[in-house]
Amino acid sequence: GENVGLHLPTLSVQEGDNSIINCAYSNSASDYFIWYKQESGKGPQFIIDIRSNMDKRQGQRVTVLLNKTVKHLSLQIAATQPGDSAVYFCAESQTGANNLFFGTGTRLTVIP
Amino acid sequence: EPEVTQTPSHQVTQMGQEVILRCVPISNHLYFYWYRQILGQKVEFLVSFYNNEISEKSEIFDDQFSVERPDGSNFTLKIRSTKLEDSAMYFCASSENLPTVGKAFFGQGTRLTVV
Repeated sequence: GENVGLHLPTLSVQEGDNSIINCAYSNSASDYFIWYKQESGKGPQFIIDIRSNMDKRQGQRVTVLLNKTVKHLSLQIAATQPGDSAVYFCAESQTGANNLFFGTGTRLTVIP
Repeated sequence: EPEVTQTPSHQVTQMGQEVILRCVPISNHLYFYWYRQILGQKVEFLVSFYNNEISEKSEIFDDQFSVERPDGSNFTLKIRSTKLEDSAMYFCASSENLPTVGKAFFGQGTRLTVV
């Protein structure tokens, strides 16, 4: 399958700081990307998505940036809160495909 | 918010036994999926299902695996003869449209332990 991976396996941030989680992908045909949050003992929860015709998309406290030139995706979380502590996965797919390929995951720990 | 529900939450089975993992997708969703996550590893795609047939499957989804939508509301994953390496968290997901158009909602997962 496609190679979707993360640069850092763990990230610790102080409460209130901004967090940046990175993801690299290798399949140039991928044109749809999603960030999922997985809390302990739960299934992945959709956070935000972006199509390849965009390079930035904002949600509530979250921003996803897409750099197709270097096949890089990032998730920015503003004013990180303890409830943001979780494992974050990027996932990618292609238009018309009926599956998602997940990256390895980054564990975000928010220090109060 | 509507949710995908999975039962049981934890299943322990002996190697070689058959298991059926059950899922109730969100009612107006048309696409259904099974994923698995071995402890500490990434989520892996197994199979997608649409219009009462498999639309895509991964290399993991071999002849030991099957899926079924027996009654219009449940979506099941069967493993015919479990192996130790089948031990994992299995997630069911559903989406209204294809993943590229609609986001997929995941269930809480079933932890399968093969002993």
